[in-house]
Amino acid sequence: DQQVKQNSPSLSVQEGRISILNCDYTNSMFDYFLWYKKYPAEGPTFLISISSIKDKNEDGRFTVFLNKSAKHLSLHIVPSQPGDSAVYFCAASPWMETSGSRLTFGEGTQLTVNP
Amino acid sequence: DAGVIQSPRHEVTEMGQEVTLRCKPISGHDYLFWYRQTMMRGLELLIYFNNNVPIDDSGMPEDRFSAKMPNASFSTLKIQPSEPRDSAVYFCASSLAGGPSEQYFGPGTRLTVT
Repeated sequence: DQQVKQNSPSLSVQEGRISILNCDYTNSMFDYFLWYKKYPAEGPTFLISISSIKDKNEDGRFTVFLNKSAKHLSLHIVPSQPGDSAVYFCAASPWMETSGSRLTFGEGTQLTVNP
Repeated sequence: DAGVIQSPRHEVTEMGQEVTLRCKPISGHDYLFWYRQTMMRGLELLIYFNNNVPIDDSGMPEDRFSAKMPNASFSTLKIQPSEPRDSAVYFCASSLAGGPSEQYFGPGTRLTVT
């Protein structure tokens, strides 16, 4: 049972345009959501997060939107740059203060930004 | 800080052999996680530790897999005996204590079992 799903395995955009990566989840216990970026031969690196008390979080060119009723979140990258080309993972966690950060990851979306 | 350190970076072994993967978490981090990445299943959590104690090993595929954390600065993931279907990239990650928080990943160990 895939509790976090990224339905698009790949996305290709032009440099300077907006990239929108989508993620859906099924577990209503999830309260905290993160996006990770992964380059080849490297481990995933944390990009941005959002808790369920918010519907938007912005950090520079990166904005994450959360729609709790639809159990959907998205990552917007504006403007997209060739260096953004990577695999992006969506992850989710229930907020359990005493039991650590058990993250459930989606399958990942390969973003390619063309010059 | 050097970040999470994993060794080896690549491992090629024959079916039936024992494989040991190693991880050094970021100093001061209380949580350590082992993940496996495959094309079919993506990134899946195998086991995680808090203060060197295993908290949840429900993701460990079967008894052939075992993980230990003898101290705060070292963990191992062992596969014995290894099988071709164990071929994957294994990541170690660590994080600070308390609630959901970003995890810091190592570069991974690419395991190939022939």
